[in-house]
Amino acid sequence: SSELTQGPAVSVALGQTVTITCQGDSLRNFFASWYQQKPGQAPVLVFYGRNNRPSGIPDRFSASSSGNTASLTITGAQAEDEGDYYCNSRGSSANHVIFGGGTKVTVL
Amino acid sequence: QVQLHESGPGLVKSSETLSLTCTVSGYSISTGYYWGWIRQPPGKGLEWIGSIFHSGIIYYNPSLKSRVTISVDTSRNHFSLRLTSVTAADTAVYYCARALTTVTTFDPWGQGALVTVSS
Repeated sequence: SSELTQGPAVSVALGQTVTITCQGDSLRNFFASWYQQKPGQAPVLVFYGRNNRPSGIPDRFSASSSGNTASLTITGAQAEDEGDYYCNSRGSSANHVIFGGGTKVTVL
Repeated sequence: QVQLHESGPGLVKSSETLSLTCTVSGYSISTGYYWGWIRQPPGKGLEWIGSIFHSGIIYYNPSLKSRVTISVDTSRNHFSLRLTSVTAADTAVYYCARALTTVTTFDPWGQGALVTVSS
């Protein structure tokens, strides 16, 4: 299968920890990348590869991978972390790209 | 820093061709990296359309391949998207983005261009 599956929504209390998951067969062989998207804005890369956080992304964002599941964790969630989060990786062909359906994160 | 900007008509008639250009500043396309197009229908998720390398190597989403052409003009430092025979289902915000060393990792993105297909 060349799909990535994400849960539709999660909520987290301010300052608590939340983990978003992304499942797909391609994740057994390739790392996921993670993007944050706020309403009306373009997606922003927040984590990629084994352990890469782009410049300017807070270190409360981390990621891990096991088997066919990739995870993005926000440790100590802040109000500004609200938004939609998308994972992506390679598809059935190594040079094709697939995206998960997105997870809406609400900070309470 | 690298910036990308999409431009093109915001309204296209059904069955016609959608054309967008992504102008890159702060980096020369001919230096390297893949450059991609991604779209997002209103209220929905992201869909990869295709990516091009400065040398002209291109990869397309199999579901759109028959209708899509991506090209690059290194002299103008831009790359372009053409999508033929559009329908209402092609209404979306179209983003261009640079792909990092892993071709699936896009950063940065343009601000996006809304294209509406009208009947």
